[in-house]
Amino acid sequence: DAGVIQSPRHEVTEMGQEVTLRCKLISGHNSLFWYRQTMMRGLELLIYFNNNVPIDDSGMPEDRFSAKMPNASFSTLKIQPSEPRDSAVYFCAVGGDPSSYNEQFFGPGTRLTVL
Amino acid sequence: KNEVEQSPQNLTAQEGEFITINCSYSVGISALHWLQQHPGGGIVSLFMLSSGKKKHGRLIATINIQEKHSSLHITASHPRDSAVYICAVLNFGNEKLTFGTGTRLTIIP
Repeated sequence: DAGVIQSPRHEVTEMGQEVTLRCKLISGHNSLFWYRQTMMRGLELLIYFNNNVPIDDSGMPEDRFSAKMPNASFSTLKIQPSEPRDSAVYFCAVGGDPSSYNEQFFGPGTRLTVL
Repeated sequence: KNEVEQSPQNLTAQEGEFITINCSYSVGISALHWLQQHPGGGIVSLFMLSSGKKKHGRLIATINIQEKHSSLHITASHPRDSAVYICAVLNFGNEKLTFGTGTRLTIIP
């Protein structure tokens, strides 16, 4: 258990509203990843951080999405304004230990529904 | 063509059967990840391997780097093994995972 806590676990909101997803890390890891999972596209990497610095955000769909990692134990993913096509499960994962091949450990996910 | 292909997409078997799930990839990788996702949605890391074979309980994962192929085996399958099994590869030079589409396994009592 890598100790990844995500909140909220479920979020239902209306189109146009701002949504903030949170990820809290209990154990120390070098890297943090945000993923989105949908039935149509499966798991997709949105962005990842290494030592709190964004390394690759090429998976972020558009400017409506932003992510921050202000310290080593906390990250947020914000969607503003939200749209129905953003409905998905969003996972936060940690990794970055080369001695274990950068194995990743996932949080429980946040199920987002945008009406 | 996806970089990571899994087969079969769906698999239903009787309790006790030996299960094999396959993963083929088309790019050079530094390691391969097998993940398990239960109906409740949580994703659990089963194995991370770069060569040879790893075993954990009734689960065995093998990888052949030359053939760009990995298999996940489950011995003495049990209904609680019912889940989606996802193969993901770690590309050289970075920490990004590329995911397969998953194999949905259903074990019938």
